[in-house]
Amino acid sequence: LAKTTQPISMDSYEGQEVNITCSHNNIATNDYITWYQQFPSQGPRFIIQGYKTKVTNEVASLFIPADRKSSTLSLPRVSLSDTAVYYCLVGDLNDYKLSFGAGTTVTVRA
Amino acid sequence: NAGVTQTPKFRVLKTGQSMTLLCAQDMNHEYMYWYRQDPGMGLRLIHYSVGEGTTAKGEVPDGYNVSRLKKQNFLLGLESAAPSQTSVYFCASSYSSGGPSGANVLTFGAGSRLTVL
Repeated sequence: LAKTTQPISMDSYEGQEVNITCSHNNIATNDYITWYQQFPSQGPRFIIQGYKTKVTNEVASLFIPADRKSSTLSLPRVSLSDTAVYYCLVGDLNDYKLSFGAGTTVTVRA
Repeated sequence: NAGVTQTPKFRVLKTGQSMTLLCAQDMNHEYMYWYRQDPGMGLRLIHYSVGEGTTAKGEVPDGYNVSRLKKQNFLLGLESAAPSQTSVYFCASSYSSGGPSGANVLTFGAGSRLTVL
């Protein structure tokens, strides 16, 4: 599983866009990039997954540059309920040993 | 559709006692996992299973045992609980190869909070 680096914490205000960048310099050819969100006292939940370029769903967008050595999760117009820890994972289908780092704690203020 | 269900949600043990956490999933997922999460930390993999009857060690397996006798259930056992095992335990499951994603996408349970005194 490729090692990832992401900021420990980020602060934002309601209505702003939040961008969290994850570095994964050793990403392998078959690796995908997956982001999870965890609210306090809950298990993580899948947000988005991508391989290259841009992926968008109803929750977020994921931007992946051509060299794939980093990725950026974009949360548009955040609300207080988006306060959570966000984890970036890199791996392929056969990566069973999926461990989560400390993640990025995003705090949204009114 | 319940997803991943963990039992019990809370438990307090004394040092040396034993207990079993039960994880059940109704999504017909092949893979199942047990994680622990300590305050302010990420999730660390304890054990995982890639199919019925198979288990393997994760990052922090010491002090824990697991069994996967049925595809839908994954049990985590503590034979002799220690205060260092005070944590929140999460179970997760995911598709086998042949699922829609290129990489494993995990579905988590709500967690089981264990305190060892």
